[in-house]
Amino acid sequence: EAGVVQSPRYKIIEKKQPVAFWCNPISGHNTLYWYLQNLGQGPELLIRYENEEAVDDSQLPKDRFSAERLKGVDSTLKIQPAELGDSAVYLCASSLDPSSGSYNEQFFGPGTRLTVL
Amino acid sequence: GNSVTQMEGPVTLSEEAFLTINCTYTATGYPSLFWYVQYPGEGLQLLLKATKADDKGSNKGFEATYRKETTSFHLEKGSVQVSDSAVYFCALVSSGSARQLTFGSGTQLTVLP
Repeated sequence: EAGVVQSPRYKIIEKKQPVAFWCNPISGHNTLYWYLQNLGQGPELLIRYENEEAVDDSQLPKDRFSAERLKGVDSTLKIQPAELGDSAVYLCASSLDPSSGSYNEQFFGPGTRLTVL
Repeated sequence: GNSVTQMEGPVTLSEEAFLTINCTYTATGYPSLFWYVQYPGEGLQLLLKATKADDKGSNKGFEATYRKETTSFHLEKGSVQVSDSAVYFCALVSSGSARQLTFGSGTQLTVLP
C-alpha cells in the first residue's frame, strides 16, 4: 500500500512568489495534517483536517498561508507571497479518524523542502 | 502547555556501541509518549510508543520506558548499527489533545563502521 505522497519534493522560489504543495494521504485516512519543520527543529502543526473540515488551524499564519481539502482526500497548502523565513520542510501526515479522543498513529510523507531566495 | 526536551546532538558512535538519547517532557494529564525516526530523504516513522506510566516500548532493538516520576522517556539501544544513523524525535500526545503531537527538536545520530 502506498504511503503518504507529497509533491514536489524540492522547491526553490524567489521571495514574494507564490508556492503550493500537494499531499495525497493513505487511502481511507480521514484525518490529514500539515506540519512545518524548521532546520534543526521538530515538526510543528499548521493545520489538521477531519475529512474536508479544518478542525484545527490555530497555528496557520492566515495572512499568507492557506490550505484546502475540497473532497476530503488530497490537500493543497499554499503560501502567497513567500518570505525568506518560510524556507523549511513542509510535512504532510495522515491517520485514521480516532473515536472518543483516542490517538491513532500518524503516517508522514517525505516532505517538501522549500527554499526562498 | 506541552513541551518535549531532547538531548542535543549530534551524537556520533562506533558500531556496536550503546546508545542513550535523553528525553524529558512537560504535559498536562497523562500523555502518551513516542519516539519517531527520520532516515535521510524519508518521512518520520513511528519507532515505538508507551501509553501509560512504567510501560516499555520496544522495536528493532530500541527501548524506552515511560517514567512518570522523572517525566522522562529515554531511548536506548544496546548495540547500534550503521543503518541506525538517522534523526530521532521524542514526542507526546497529551490526554487533553488526542490528535496533536508535540515534538522535541530531534537528535542526529551517526554510527560509524
